[in-house]
Amino acid sequence: EAGVTQFPSHSVIEKGQTVTLRCDPISGHDNLYWYRRVMGKEIKFLLHFVKESKQDESGMPNNRFLAERTGGTYSTLKVQPAELEDSGVYFCASSPQGFLAGGPANEQFFGPGTRLTVL
Amino acid sequence: AQTVTQSQPEMSVQEAETVTLSCTYDTSESDYYLFWYKQPPSRQMILVIRQEAYKQQNATENRFSVNFQKAAKSFSLKISDSQLGDAAMYFCAYRGNQGGKLIFGQGTELSVKP
Repeated sequence: EAGVTQFPSHSVIEKGQTVTLRCDPISGHDNLYWYRRVMGKEIKFLLHFVKESKQDESGMPNNRFLAERTGGTYSTLKVQPAELEDSGVYFCASSPQGFLAGGPANEQFFGPGTRLTVL
Repeated sequence: AQTVTQSQPEMSVQEAETVTLSCTYDTSESDYYLFWYKQPPSRQMILVIRQEAYKQQNATENRFSVNFQKAAKSFSLKISDSQLGDAAMYFCAYRGNQGGKLIFGQGTELSVKP
């Protein structure tokens, strides 16, 4: 079974440009999460999709970030316009349905991350 | 708001020996989940071990075990018989019972010396 994949693995852009990150979750996983790790600090939650709906977007830093998950499959995270402080590693994770329940459904499977550098 | 703290940015252990990574957290919830994730260099983060707060028994997974002290809000990871492949960044994470997001600590980079 394929794991969570993310594209691109690295992106280097100029301040003010736009970048779109993509995440393909494990097939059949309803839950999709975006996280970010900036400058070696802790990994911070950005938002959570359940299928195509945004369940929790409390971690989105500002309106320069736009996440979508059309059709409840893959997700994109667009940063427009990018700022220097957006540099970091963006992780995507997915988990099966039933995120409110206990048991094996709690595990989130992570992608390899996209390293974004804004110059 | 919940917080997770890992006070050891770096740790080192000799191969075959035991090491303990510390993690403390703060929450007002009574029911929650705690996790240790491992991220080897240039590889994906994987789950090492999970603990449900309502369980008093400490979780174990082969050479990995936790010391869960609910009253003290402490959740340390013990790695026994350390192997070279254990070298990685280790993240402690918290998940409340009502939501899916994980709250992470700052990470501890573990090196294993041959």
